[in-house]
Amino acid sequence: DAGVIQSPRHEVTEMGQEVTLRCKPISGHNSLFWYRQTMMRGLELLIYFNNNVPIDDSGMPEDRFSAKMPNASFSTLKIQPSEPRDSAVYFCASSLREGNQPQHFGDGTRLSIL
Amino acid sequence: AQSVTQPDIHITVSEGASLELRCNYSYGATPYLFWYVQSPGQGLQLLLKYFSGDTLVQGIKGFEAEFKRSQSSFNLRKPSVHWSDAAEYFCAVATATNDYKLSFGAGTTVTVRA
Repeated sequence: DAGVIQSPRHEVTEMGQEVTLRCKPISGHNSLFWYRQTMMRGLELLIYFNNNVPIDDSGMPEDRFSAKMPNASFSTLKIQPSEPRDSAVYFCASSLREGNQPQHFGDGTRLSIL
Repeated sequence: AQSVTQPDIHITVSEGASLELRCNYSYGATPYLFWYVQSPGQGLQLLLKYFSGDTLVQGIKGFEAEFKRSQSSFNLRKPSVHWSDAAEYFCAVATATNDYKLSFGAGTTVTVRA
């Protein structure tokens, strides 16, 4: 079975550019999560969706960050404009809504903003 | 305040020796407990989970964990470590009162020496 698929795996871009990260959750999962991982702050939940609806975006650091989930099989995390401090590994995870169902993680996008 | 604590930042263990990683949590509600492993450049992989029932749970790769309610702990163990177990390990907790969002510990890095 295909797991959570993220693209691109690596992204290097210059400060000020728009960055779009993509995620395809596991088929049938109805919750989707975006995380950011850095050495300093560890794993941070940025936003999550239930049934394609954003539920909690309190972890989104700034208005420069936005996320969408237009359908059950696709989500994007966009940073515009990007800054060097946005450099991190961004993970997408999906799960079934029920609380005892674990989240399954993609392999992440390693983002470097120069 | 809800929190997950992994007291050990880094553990070095010899191949073939036993391993125990500690995890303590502070939650008022009945928690759902998870252990994830992250190899370099990879996403988080679920090792095991505890929801209810037998407090000793078996996971993949020969790992097990024991839930001790009285100690608010969920320690991870492996009787004999292999070189491939070198990775970072994360304990995570979810509760219904927190809408089943995962709260992660800071992680424990395991180094395996020959």
